[in-house]
Amino acid sequence: SQQGEEDPQALSIQEGENATMNCSYKTSINNLQWYRQNSGRGLVHLILIRSNEREKHSGRLRVTLDTSKKSSSLLITASRAADTASYFCATVGGSNYKLTFGKGTLLTVNP
Amino acid sequence: EPEVTQTPSHQVTQMGQEVILRCVPISNHLYFYWYRQILGQKVEFLVSFYNNEISEKSEIFDDQFSVERPDGSNFTLKIRSTKLEDSAMYFCASSRIEGDGYTFGSGTRLTVV
Repeated sequence: SQQGEEDPQALSIQEGENATMNCSYKTSINNLQWYRQNSGRGLVHLILIRSNEREKHSGRLRVTLDTSKKSSSLLITASRAADTASYFCATVGGSNYKLTFGKGTLLTVNP
Repeated sequence: EPEVTQTPSHQVTQMGQEVILRCVPISNHLYFYWYRQILGQKVEFLVSFYNNEISEKSEIFDDQFSVERPDGSNFTLKIRSTKLEDSAMYFCASSRIEGDGYTFGSGTRLTVV
């Protein structure tokens, strides 16, 4: 089954640094989405990248997609303490449209 | 910005009892979903719903689960006879286009005791 799997599982950085999280998946996709979840809260959609796109930007977020390697990365530039959260990649693909989530990366940004 | 609203935010129920989790999707969205997240685990797909019927369901979504859109605004998940292992965060989501532009609610934390 296709699954997004993020690495690292946990990342701790200082405010102002960049944070990079990676996601790998197993089967072909229509799109890949990144979500953020603050502890015990809901999922917030950050960005969607389609299978025919290679890079996408949204504010301080940059997402890349390499379909040949079945991988994606999420870069958060100039991180802030408020960016502390879990980040999940989720894929949509094949003949169905359900989101398949990875386990997530817990990002801690220290002030 | 439009939101998906879920109620209640937290529900405690006894094993064997029925629970109904409620969701109000975004008004112009056509596709509705339920996902769940057991503490410390992945977010898992339960069911998708379109045009007043289930379009896809996972292995988790067995006979104890059902979904309904009783009127033009609400979307409900019913768990008929709750088990301890049903304890999880349940998320409702909606989208205008299938597989695209999901908006998730804040979730209902279900605790089965």
